[in-house]
Amino acid sequence: SAVISQKPSRDICQRGTSLTIQCQVDSQVTMMFWYRQQPGQSLTLIATANQGSEATYESGFVIDKFPISRPNLTFSTLTVSNMSPEDSSIYLCSAGTSGSNEQFFGPGTRLTVL
Amino acid sequence: GENVEQHPSTLSVQEGDSAVIKCTYSDSASNYFPWYKQELGKRPQLIIDIRSNVGEKKDQRIAVTLNKTAKHFSLHITETQPEDSAVYFCAASMDNNDMRFGAGTRLTVKP
Repeated sequence: SAVISQKPSRDICQRGTSLTIQCQVDSQVTMMFWYRQQPGQSLTLIATANQGSEATYESGFVIDKFPISRPNLTFSTLTVSNMSPEDSSIYLCSAGTSGSNEQFFGPGTRLTVL
Repeated sequence: GENVEQHPSTLSVQEGDSAVIKCTYSDSASNYFPWYKQELGKRPQLIIDIRSNVGEKKDQRIAVTLNKTAKHFSLHITETQPEDSAVYFCAASMDNNDMRFGAGTRLTVKP
């Protein structure tokens, strides 16, 4: 399985600011995804990070709020823009290969917006 | 789109007993059904998965069954241990795309 790291592990931010979360995988993977997990809740897919093209967003999530980059097969970033307290959550990236179906998760970034 | 329902939301068992968690899905095109275990403050860990061409899969004390016709799948944990206590999530997807998760089951195993 791929080893996935995220930075930062946690942050406390002021409303109106933006935070960029980084996700690094130790091997080349085909698929990378970003999820949100609110306290005590399940995981909600934000978007699929596509290498070399625009991310594919799920219903309820837009590029202006959650811009995503994926410059290569092992790295992706998620930016949470113009934050409000409602954005307080854990953000997780995951990765997998198209031939395998399995997805493995990073440790998550715990974001608190004041 | 896919909708995954998971029951029960909480489950408490005595150590050594079995635990069963059930999920249903709505999209008949889904062909991959993983189960994740998430301990407090940790990342979800894949514990077992099943593909739509298989009816049952077992790995030591953990087994998963799939009924494609009824669109439901279940996780079975036998001889439960306190370290099995965690939140378990089922999920469904087609070819590793658009994975949808159930709401989760908080399992408590009492020593």
